[in-house]
Amino acid sequence: DQQVKQNSPSLSVQEGRISILNCDYTNSMFDYFLWYKKYPAEGPTFLISISSIKDKNEDGRFTVFLNKSAKHLSLHIVPSQPGDSAVYFCAASGDNDMRFGAGTRLTVKP
Amino acid sequence: NAGVTQTPKFRILKIGQSMTLQCTQDMNHNYMYWYRQDPGMGLKLIYYSVGAGITDKGEVPNGYNVSRSTTEDFPLRLELAAPSQTSVYFCASSAGQGKNIQYFGAGTRLSVL
Repeated sequence: DQQVKQNSPSLSVQEGRISILNCDYTNSMFDYFLWYKKYPAEGPTFLISISSIKDKNEDGRFTVFLNKSAKHLSLHIVPSQPGDSAVYFCAASGDNDMRFGAGTRLTVKP
Repeated sequence: NAGVTQTPKFRILKIGQSMTLQCTQDMNHNYMYWYRQDPGMGLKLIYYSVGAGITDKGEVPNGYNVSRSTTEDFPLRLELAAPSQTSVYFCASSAGQGKNIQYFGAGTRLSVL
């Protein structure tokens, strides 16, 4: 059962434009959400997180939005840069475990 | 800062062979995890540990064993390798469970032929 879904396997955007990556979850017990970024031949690294008591968290060019009623979160990257090209994993956690989506491969074209 | 270190980076096994994937962390984290990632899928938890001497099964534990004799090390053992175990394996650690950032190693790419 895929409790965390990233329905877009890939996304391509132009440098300087906005990248929007989406994630849906099914388990209402999840109350903490994270985005990880993964470059080839490296492990995932933490990017940004949000607690369920918030609907937005911002860190520089990265903003995560949470819509609890829709069980949906999104990651906005503005402006997108070629160095942002990577696979982005959404993760959701409750008290005891963390579940990951399948990832979205972002390509930012110069 | 080393963080989480996994060895080897790549390995090819024949069906029925056994091997141990090594994982060590230098952040003094109590919690450690083993995941596998198959193409087009998210990370699936194989086993986890909440401290030295304590391990528990995750979502997909069949065909694997783990041990945790020290805080730093969390090896994953494959006893009788099968083609279904062809995957990329990631080890991770965290300071706590659930709502805690996990720190990942670079992964081990395993092929069973």
